[in-house]
Amino acid sequence: DQQVKQNSPSLSVQEGRISILNCDYTNSMFDYFLWYKKYPAEGPTFLISISSIKDKNEDGRFTVFLNKSAKHLSLHIVPSQPGDSAVYFCAASGGKLIFGQGTELSVKP
Amino acid sequence: DADVTQTPRNRITKTGKRIMLECSQTKGHDRMYWYRQDPGLGLRLIYYSFDVKDINKGEISDGYSVSRQAQAKFSLSLESAIPNQTALYFCATKASGLETQYFGPGTRLLVL
Repeated sequence: DQQVKQNSPSLSVQEGRISILNCDYTNSMFDYFLWYKKYPAEGPTFLISISSIKDKNEDGRFTVFLNKSAKHLSLHIVPSQPGDSAVYFCAASGGKLIFGQGTELSVKP
Repeated sequence: DADVTQTPRNRITKTGKRIMLECSQTKGHDRMYWYRQDPGLGLRLIYYSFDVKDINKGEISDGYSVSRQAQAKFSLSLESAIPNQTALYFCATKASGLETQYFGPGTRLLVL
C-alpha cells in the first residue's frame, strides 16, 4: 500500500511559467515532509521541507504548501528554469522517510 | 570532495553471485540508510543503522544483508544475486535529531 503518492509521472512546463508538483499521503502521523530533486546519474538532493505544524515554507523560487486536512502537499517553482528539469520526489517522515514515485519535470525554453 | 560516496558506481554480475556495495561518509552523521530505486516505485528502504552496533530491517530487506563497520561506513551485500535485484542503489546519511537525509551518487546494478 503506497503511503505517499505522486500521481503525475511527468510534467512539462514552459520556461518562466509556474511548475506545480503534487503529492498525496495517507498516514496522518507523518510530521515532516521533504522534497528532493534528482538529476540523471546523481543521487537525490534535498530541496525544501515543511513541518506538519506549518502550511507553507518558501525558499527563493521554491514554495511548499501543506494541506493537512486533505493530506496533500505541493511544490511550486516560480519562475521555472530549464535547469529545474529533473525528477522530483516527495517524502514523508514518521521516523523513517517514505518516498513517492517521483514526477519528472521538463522545463522547455 | 563528495560527503557521501558509493562504490562501485556501476556493476554487472551474474545470478547467484555474491556482491557487496559500499558506502562511506564524511559528514559525521550517525544514521545511515540503504535504498533501492526502481522505475515507477520511487525509493524503498532496504536497511538502516542508527549507530555502529545497530542494524534494522527496512521495507524490502529479503535477499540483502548489511554491515556497519564504522560510523562512516555502511555496506550492503546481496548474498546470491537474482535478476529482480537489478536496480539503482542509494546510500544516505542523517544526523540524529534532524530530518534531512543526504544521498550518495548511487550504484547501478545489473544482475544477468
